[in-house]
Amino acid sequence: AQSVTQLGSHVSVSEGALVLLRCNYSSSVPPYLFWYVQYPNQGLQLLLKYTSAATLVKGINGFEAEFKKSETSFHLTKPSAHMSDAAEYFCAASGSARQLTFGSGTQLTVLP
Amino acid sequence: GAGVSQSPSNKVTEKGKDVELRCDPISGHTALYWYRQSLGQGLEFLIYFQGNSAPDKSGLPSDRFSAERTGGSVSTLTIQRTQQEDSAVYLCASSLGTSGGAVDEQFFGPGTRLTVL
Repeated sequence: AQSVTQLGSHVSVSEGALVLLRCNYSSSVPPYLFWYVQYPNQGLQLLLKYTSAATLVKGINGFEAEFKKSETSFHLTKPSAHMSDAAEYFCAASGSARQLTFGSGTQLTVLP
Repeated sequence: GAGVSQSPSNKVTEKGKDVELRCDPISGHTALYWYRQSLGQGLEFLIYFQGNSAPDKSGLPSDRFSAERTGGSVSTLTIQRTQQEDSAVYLCASSLGTSGGAVDEQFFGPGTRLTVL
């Protein structure tokens, strides 16, 4: 069974600063990996996904993530935070089973 | 086009009552998922439907939970004899359900917030 770990349940950054949200997966076979964002009282929206085609994945809203097999990581980054990036972010994995296994989420706060 | 819709958006019920939660997936999507989001447990998979195949019920927490999908479209999640620990946001998602389905993007609905008093 695979598992997903997100380090840091809360992350605060200043507007314009680098955003780094950490995600590690545990699987004997590299899974498909996803980052979702959830705004208050809304469903989840896909930011980006890793499907083995490229290790650096670019997503919407300026986010990107790099798959590192040696570190079993898929950290999410954005060079410059905007106030509108404040939300909860979930890392997720799928594999032979199509359902998503989610991390516990990271609440991102952007300070003015 | 229309996204995944869920109804009701909020449901308050008394302990011991049955509830039904509805999900309308995106037209043409053959795969449908139910997840539960709660403070203590995070986001958990409940059940997965793919076309006419038997559903994957491996995530259902107890036999009080059941789901069906009629005509390959609308799905209903039923919780019988609700308990306070069932309080959560229930999210539905759908995807194209292609042969490479593990990489399909799952599109999520806004969820139904269930409160069991």
